[in-house]
Amino acid sequence: DQQVKQNSPSLSVQEGRISILNCDYTNSMFDYFLWYKKYPAEGPTFLISISSIKDKNEDGRFTVFLNKSAKHLSLHIVPSQPGDSAVYFCAAMGTSGTYKYIFGTGTRLKVLA
Amino acid sequence: DSGVTQTPKHLITATGQRVTLRCSPRSGDLSVYWYQQSLDQGLQFLIQYYNGEERAKGNILERFSAQQFPDLHSELNLSSLELGDSALYFCASSAGTGAGGELFFGEGSRLTVL
Repeated sequence: DQQVKQNSPSLSVQEGRISILNCDYTNSMFDYFLWYKKYPAEGPTFLISISSIKDKNEDGRFTVFLNKSAKHLSLHIVPSQPGDSAVYFCAAMGTSGTYKYIFGTGTRLKVLA
Repeated sequence: DSGVTQTPKHLITATGQRVTLRCSPRSGDLSVYWYQQSLDQGLQFLIQYYNGEERAKGNILERFSAQQFPDLHSELNLSSLELGDSALYFCASSAGTGAGGELFFGEGSRLTVL
């Protein structure tokens, strides 16, 4: 049972345009969400997070939006740069539960120069 | 550099064998998590330890076991290895129990079972 889903395995975007990566979750107990970026031969690195008490969090070119009623979050990257090409994972956890961070299957972003 | 160290980086072994993967968390981090990433799959949560005690368990096979030692390093033991155990195994650490806050990942140990 995949509690965190990233339905788009890959995405290609032109440099300078917006990249939108989507993530859906099923467990209503999840109240903390994170995005990680992974380059080949490296471990995932933290990008941005959001708590369920907010619906938006911004950090430079990266913005995460949370729609609790739809159990959906998205990561916007504006403007996209070739160095953003990587696999992006969303993760979710319930802070009042067993503290498991559940990850999605990832979306491979390719930013074309 | 995340500060999380995993050894070995690569490991090739045969079916039926047993291996141990080692993880040193970031200085001061009390929680250690183990994840498995098979080909084209996401990060599957295996197990979490906090300050030496098991805190949460995922879909970890009975052939796998882990522990966290008093110096906070952790080991993941994989036994009776099968071809399907070939994967990248990541260790991550966090400062607290993990109730919010980010995980810091190591570079992973790539296990190949022949």
